[in-house]
Amino acid sequence: DGGITQSPKYLFRKEGQNVTLSCEQNLNHDAMYWYRQDPGQGLRLIYYSQIVNDFQKGDIAEGYSVSREKKESFPLTVTSAQKNPTAFYLCASSTGQGAPWGYTFGSGTRLTVV
Amino acid sequence: DQQVKQNSPSLSVQEGRISILNCDYTNSMFDYFLWYKKYPAEGPTFLISISSIKDKNEDGRFTVFLNKSAKHLSLHIVPSQPGDSAVYFCAASESGNTPLVFGKGTRLSVIA
Repeated sequence: DGGITQSPKYLFRKEGQNVTLSCEQNLNHDAMYWYRQDPGQGLRLIYYSQIVNDFQKGDIAEGYSVSREKKESFPLTVTSAQKNPTAFYLCASSTGQGAPWGYTFGSGTRLTVV
Repeated sequence: DQQVKQNSPSLSVQEGRISILNCDYTNSMFDYFLWYKKYPAEGPTFLISISSIKDKNEDGRFTVFLNKSAKHLSLHIVPSQPGDSAVYFCAASESGNTPLVFGKGTRLSVIA
């Protein structure tokens, strides 16, 4: 079955450490996205990529980095520069063309800084 | 500056009655509007959508209304069921090439 997989589901990080969240899709989608959810804040866009080897900053990119070396994969690194990284992170993918009806979301990664 | 606003953080409705969730937007370039349903610790699931060329779209118990002049859309759920209890997000985009912009969500509780 086609889908999008995020791992791990729960992640704990010590302050000052970088950590990488994995996102893999087998939907043959060109576009991939990272959103962050905080209580009462909705989903805010961190980074997105419409094609391999290219990506754009979203509204809250500071303290994060991404890469898109393969169509299927879009890992997100939360760096030590991110002041408040504890949140629920969601990865999504879409065809990136036509109407945006086809967003598929992963099940999320809960990151906690300890 | 919030482009998509859901001004009601929560809503409680009796089972069998109508639930109305509201969403306002500020970007007149938005052409596509979607509603997502989300349970805790899960990814959002697509519920219903509408493009700017329409003013209504219906799918079973769910109907979305779009008022472009007021930059307002609403989701109607009739009849409401306890399984509808979740957080509902309104989202919008200019095209398939631009990312979805989400509101802050409305938590719907359907009381049996």
